[in-house]
Amino acid sequence: GAVVSQHPSRVICKSGTSVKIECRSLDFQATTMFWYRQFPKQSLMLMATSNEGSKATYEQGVEKDKFLINHASLTLSTLTVTSAHPEDSSFYICSARDVGASGGASDTQYFGPGTRLTVL
Amino acid sequence: AQSVSQHNHHVILSEAASLELGCNYSYGGTVNLFWYVQYPGQHLQLLLKYFSGDPLVKGIKGFEAEFIKSKFSFNLRKPSVQWSDTAEYFCAVNPGGGNKLTFGTGTQLKVEL
Repeated sequence: GAVVSQHPSRVICKSGTSVKIECRSLDFQATTMFWYRQFPKQSLMLMATSNEGSKATYEQGVEKDKFLINHASLTLSTLTVTSAHPEDSSFYICSARDVGASGGASDTQYFGPGTRLTVL
Repeated sequence: AQSVSQHNHHVILSEAASLELGCNYSYGGTVNLFWYVQYPGQHLQLLLKYFSGDPLVKGIKGFEAEFIKSKFSFNLRKPSVQWSDTAEYFCAVNPGGGNKLTFGTGTQLKVEL
């Protein structure tokens, strides 16, 4: 099945520093990846859509200058949390959209294991 | 804006009991529907999905879901749960052909021995 990896799985950083999280699709190409944030005991909230070769599309209320997204290849998207603050501490999850060989019918998002960010 | 409702936030069942988790959505057009499961300490995994065709969809691990268009529902069912089914279950929807998934708030299922 389609596998998505994230690195790192956990990161602890000081307030004011930047943190980069990588999301990779391991066995398929993904022109579109997504970044979510999950708060404890809550659902996933979509932050942005990462499009290969073009700018990311951010959801309302998400600061694009704070959460920088780069989708430089068909298998890699990165999320950089700039000038992190304690309120940015959260569980960040990426997904990659597999459109399948014939398109449409296999249009499914596969999720990475998540990255636990703690900002001190 | 479309929304997804999962009315059961916490469900506790004994092993072998039957399970039904509700999911309702608000979007009026064509939709793709998904159920994902998140086992403790693990990432989201796809249980099953509906795009078109037979509204009764069978997924992995004995789960199935029924799409009822008139009720805007996509309830998840399993005839006999196991302790290993303890997990959080998320219903998700996206408009047909669209990119974005909208998730429900999730249902925490605990299966007791």
